Amino acid sequence: AQTVTQSQPEMSVQEAETVTLSCTYDTSESNYYLFWYKQPPSRQMILVIRQEAYKQQNATENRFSVNFQKAAKSFSLKISDSQLGDTAMYFCAFMGPTDSWGKLQFGAGTQVVVTP
Amino acid sequence: EAQVTQNPRYLITVTGKKLTVTCSQNMNHEYMSWYRQDPGLGLRQIYYSMNVEVTDKGDVPEGYKVSRKEKRNFPLILESPSPNQTSLYFCASSLRGTYGYTFGSGTRLTVV
Repeated sequence: AQTVTQSQPEMSVQEAETVTLSCTYDTSESNYYLFWYKQPPSRQMILVIRQEAYKQQNATENRFSVNFQKAAKSFSLKISDSQLGDTAMYFCAFMGPTDSWGKLQFGAGTQVVVTP
Repeated sequence: EAQVTQNPRYLITVTGKKLTVTCSQNMNHEYMSWYRQDPGLGLRQIYYSMNVEVTDKGDVPEGYKVSRKEKRNFPLILESPSPNQTSLYFCASSLRGTYGYTFGSGTRLTVV
């Protein structure tokens, strides 16, 4: 079974600064997808970014970018120019071809607090 | 507006009293799924469905039932709730699983 590990329970960053969240995963598959989700205090789960394992290029979405290291099984999220609205829990998630691509495996999450 | 709607948002019930949490999506998505969220554990998948009448167990299916009789609906049934099922529940849907899931706004369930 795949496992997703987020080793940082909480991180604090000042406005306009950059913060990087780490995520590692364990799989024997060669083709899979990785995601970062954001959960603000409203508790809504919001998809931030998606990465296909067979694509070398790192995904970016505005101020959010990832560093995907397939060999190291690492998938970190960088938030640039942090804003107060970025305060949220961030979850890394893995999806593989077993279970017909229906199973999304989450890490335990990293709480990000952006301070003025 | 494209969305996943789950009801109720909050529910307090007593041990053993059957309950259903409804979930509906208006995006014609093939995949639907239920998750529970507990502190320190992230989200864990309960059940998922790839199409009408096709469902499969996730990581924590014990004590839950689901059905997918229509494409848009995917209710979660707790036949005999117990206090260890107190949690935040999310329904989610996806056109194809690999696109990522769109989540509902969650149901906070308390079983006393």
